[in-house]
Amino acid sequence: AQSVTQPDIHITVSEGASLELRCNYSYGATPYLFWYVQSPGQGLQLLLKYFSGDTLVQGIKGFEAEFKRSQSSFNLRKPSVHWSDAAEYFCAVVSYSSASKIIFGSGTRLSIRP
Amino acid sequence: DAGVTQSPTHLIKTRGQQVTLRCSPKSGHDTVSWYQQALGQGPQFIFQYYEEEERQRGNFPDRFSGHQFPNYSSELNVNALLLGDSALYLCASSLGQGFSGNTIYFGEGSWLTVV
Repeated sequence: AQSVTQPDIHITVSEGASLELRCNYSYGATPYLFWYVQSPGQGLQLLLKYFSGDTLVQGIKGFEAEFKRSQSSFNLRKPSVHWSDAAEYFCAVVSYSSASKIIFGSGTRLSIRP
Repeated sequence: DAGVTQSPTHLIKTRGQQVTLRCSPKSGHDTVSWYQQALGQGPQFIFQYYEEEERQRGNFPDRFSGHQFPNYSSELNVNALLLGDSALYLCASSLGQGFSGNTIYFGEGSWLTVV
């Protein structure tokens, strides 16, 4: 069965520091992968997506992610975080058994240290 | 151009009651999916509506039902509420039944508390 694992429940980084959020997936074919961000009390906003092609994907707000098939990973990175980046981040994959269904990881909460 | 709109934003219900949540998809979108997000967890797929019919369903009991109207808006109904139904319910809109690579847009959700 397809699944998405985000091994870090909570990460704290200092403002201005670099960030990497980990995501591993289990999938039988080439996956469609996403990163979403959710601010407190808000819905989900798409940061970036990978379907095919270049394995380094650029997103909004200065985020990027790299698809590594050999490691079944799709880690999210940002070179310098801002206090406004504090939020919950979700990695997700489209289900191959139901193209209308997105499978989400359990999320990583990001806190920013002043 | 309005995005995905959901109502109500917050509500409190008692165990055993019934609740209806509403969603208007983004302009131009014809497909609505519903997700349940319990506290501290990622969203879980409930079902999808396209052409006024339920097309796909996740692992949720029959107490969860829905409807899609000709204008593509949708309702999520939950009967016989349990404490465990307390969650944020998210609506997602997209174009077409299958996944075509188009962006899926989420609303801000309806917070349901069951007491």
